[in-house]
Amino acid sequence: SQQGEEDPQALSIQEGENATMNCSYKTSINNLQWYRQNSGRGLVHLILIRSNEREKHSGRLRVTLDTSKKSSSLLITASRAADTASYFCATDAGTASKLTFGTGTRLQVTL
Amino acid sequence: GAGVSQSPSNKVTEKGKDVELRCDPISGHTALYWYRQSLGQGLEFLIYFQGNSAPDKSGLPSDRFSAERTGGSVSTLTIQRTQQEDSAVYLCASSLQGAYGYTFGSGTRLTVV
Repeated sequence: SQQGEEDPQALSIQEGENATMNCSYKTSINNLQWYRQNSGRGLVHLILIRSNEREKHSGRLRVTLDTSKKSSSLLITASRAADTASYFCATDAGTASKLTFGTGTRLQVTL
Repeated sequence: GAGVSQSPSNKVTEKGKDVELRCDPISGHTALYWYRQSLGQGLEFLIYFQGNSAPDKSGLPSDRFSAERTGGSVSTLTIQRTQQEDSAVYLCASSLQGAYGYTFGSGTRLTVV
């Protein structure tokens, strides 16, 4: 079953605009991670935020985490055509030591 | 190696045949995971190996699916008597320690005809 649900399912923006994707999850977590997937193949790890953190930055990426609402957001600033991909949130819950992935947001950045 | 290697990249098989998918993780990574992704869907957990511990097989969808990891390194996912619903991309990932940032392979696209 899916732990995370991303919103929106699809997002289309122009180059230079900011893109915001949201993720909601169901159970308490140890950490939440975001991954990018190009062309339906391997995923690339972008950023990890621990349950006791509220915000984290990495380059043009900004992630927030609200454990009271069981939600996270990924902001990509000044988007580029190369950011076109699917983005997934993934949660590590309890003692499972495995990630449960959400359904993904397909981002299209046009010139 | 520098990354996680999966083979074959693509596999077309006839319904009812057995298939073996291979994953070669990053050297030194003790954790190895198998997921599958159906077209346009999220990732479905299949199985997890951690060092010499018993694997977590809780995601395997049926007894037609099995996996092993030899010598704490290479892993093979075997699907017996393949069905059309087994068609998907099978992704392998490894990590240094549990769920703290996976490195994924490029996947094997399995098509059952």
